[in-house]
Amino acid sequence: KAGVTQTPRYLIKTRGQQVTLSCSPISGHRSVSWYQQTPGQGLQFLFEYFSETQRNKGNFPGRFSGRQFSNSRSEMNVSTLELGDSALYLCASSLNFYTPQDTQYFGPGTRLTVL
Amino acid sequence: KNQVEQSPQSLIILEGKNCTLQCNYTVSPFSNLRWYKQDTGRGPVSLTIMTFSENTKSNGRYTATLDADTKQSSLHITASQLSDSASYICVVSAPAASKLTFGTGTRLQVTL
Repeated sequence: KAGVTQTPRYLIKTRGQQVTLSCSPISGHRSVSWYQQTPGQGLQFLFEYFSETQRNKGNFPGRFSGRQFSNSRSEMNVSTLELGDSALYLCASSLNFYTPQDTQYFGPGTRLTVL
Repeated sequence: KNQVEQSPQSLIILEGKNCTLQCNYTVSPFSNLRWYKQDTGRGPVSLTIMTFSENTKSNGRYTATLDADTKQSSLHITASQLSDSASYICVVSAPAASKLTFGTGTRLQVTL
């Protein structure tokens, strides 16, 4: 069974631009969560989608948004990019609406660099 | 504020040696604690998960311990291998869904 895939793997943008990242969960998984990982802050939760609905959201500004499609694939969008948005963006999938007992399976991440 | 602190920040050990990584947390209420291994350029992979009532959990050469009273956990790696070089992240869950608090990780390098 294929793992979680994320595209693109690397991205370079300039301040003010917007970017869209894509995540395909493991086949049959219906929950997708997004995380931002930076050296100083570690992993921080962005949001979780289940059945095309955002179920939970972290403490990030409205410039960060996402959506989930009927096939469970998810996209994350960041508008008006800032230098501080440079990070590794990870998505993780789980079978159902995530609970602490569930195992999340992470993708390899998209490395975003904002110049 | 819920926090997870890991120490040391980085560690270099010789192949074959043992090492112990520490995780202290202030998350309350507490549901479970996981240790993840993250290889460079890859997403984290779950190594162990422990609930409030569990003291020890092993996964091959990895052994995690949990003291819920002192809110401390450790990950012990036995007979280290070069492939153990990675970041190890401690993650603590509150009962509510998606309420995860991540540590910033310990970067382990195993050398010859």
